Amino acid sequence: AQSVTQLGSHVSVSEGALVLLRCNYSSSVPPYLFWYVQYPNQGLQLLLKYTSAATLVKGINGFEAEFKKSETSFHLTKPSAHMSDAAEYFCAVSRKGQGGGGNKLTFGTGTQLKVEL
Amino acid sequence: ETGVTQSPTHLIKTRGQQVTLRCSSQSGHNTVSWYQQALGQGPQFIFQYYREEENGRGNFPPRFSGLQFPNYSSELNVNALELDDSALYLCASSLKASAYSSSYEQYFGPGTRLTVT
Repeated sequence: AQSVTQLGSHVSVSEGALVLLRCNYSSSVPPYLFWYVQYPNQGLQLLLKYTSAATLVKGINGFEAEFKKSETSFHLTKPSAHMSDAAEYFCAVSRKGQGGGGNKLTFGTGTQLKVEL
Repeated sequence: ETGVTQSPTHLIKTRGQQVTLRCSSQSGHNTVSWYQQALGQGPQFIFQYYREEENGRGNFPPRFSGLQFPNYSSELNVNALELDDSALYLCASSLKASAYSSSYEQYFGPGTRLTVT
């Protein structure tokens, strides 16, 4: 079984400060890992993905994440927060080589990012 | 390139009624997944359809059913609605090489907000 834990349901940062959103995963097989962003009353937009190539993954809007197998983590960072980054962020895992039965995404409970002036 | 679209945007139903939600997948995609997102939670996988066949199911009762059509659009049907079915229903499309392969990315629609009273 796979699972994702996002530490901190709410994170608040000042504009221009570092953004760090934490994600730890559990998977019995090598995972695919994803970060999605959701703005109010909208669907999910893919920020970045890890599919076993480089462990440091760069995504859209200046976000990046590093896959650390030893720590089972995939934390999301951005060097300088912008007001437009305020949204909910979801970490998700699926199984590499999942075989029959689909390739469902298992999501964490989300982290609401607030950016203050 | 047309993205994933869903209809209707909002829906209000009474407990015990039946509802059908619709999804048009992104051009070139052959796989559709449905997720339920309750308020304040991460999305939960309902099921996936690959080339008109169910290809994986989450922990949802049989009153949640689906269809995928030859043009890869999809429907989610929920019978005997319960109050707890109130949620945002998200459709995601992706491209898989076979029923047994994994797709790297799922692209989400804006969702249908279902309220059951």
